[in-house]
Amino acid sequence: DAGVTQSPTHLIKTRGQQVTLRCSPISGHKSVSWYQQVLGQGPQFIFQYYEKEERGRGNFPDRFSARQFPNYSSELNVNALLLGDSALYLCASSLWDTDYSGANVLTFGAGSRLTVL
Amino acid sequence: GQNIDQPTEMTATEGAIVQINCTYQTSGFNGLFWYQQHAGEAPTFLSYNVLDGLEEKGRFSSFLSRSKGYSYLLLKELQMKDSASYLCAVVRGDYKLSFGAGTTVTVRA
Repeated sequence: DAGVTQSPTHLIKTRGQQVTLRCSPISGHKSVSWYQQVLGQGPQFIFQYYEKEERGRGNFPDRFSARQFPNYSSELNVNALLLGDSALYLCASSLWDTDYSGANVLTFGAGSRLTVL
Repeated sequence: GQNIDQPTEMTATEGAIVQINCTYQTSGFNGLFWYQQHAGEAPTFLSYNVLDGLEEKGRFSSFLSRSKGYSYLLLKELQMKDSASYLCAVVRGDYKLSFGAGTTVTVRA
């Protein structure tokens, strides 16, 4: 079975540009979360979607937006890029958005590494 | 706010045991994950604890004390491939994960 897949794997943008990152969850998983991981730090929660509805938003500016499609894939959009947006953006999926356990584990993709120049 | 603390770095020799501690203060608690992350790769699931006590899974074990806000990950019979960052992640009351900064473990021959 394919794991969580993300695209693109690497990208370089300049300040002020916009970027769209894509994520396909594990088949059967209905919840998708996005995290930002700056070098040397742990992942920071950005968004969570479940059954196409936003279930949570972290402490990120309105330049960040996301959506989930009927097939449960998801996109993360970042507008007006700043140098500080340079990071690894991780997508994670799970069967549902609560009741984590050994049977409902948050599984991560390999990430999209964004560099803003 | 969320506060999750773990040591920044640890070094151990091949075949040894290393214990990575994690202390947390979060708004609610619905469990604690440990993930392993090799450089440039995705975090991969190691263990999940929601009740007090020790969970053993092969060479890796994880312990939780909810009253103390404390967990540890125990890595036994260290192998070179265990060199990685280990992330402690608390499931908050709203079921969102808060991560620690990670502990980089270096295994030396």
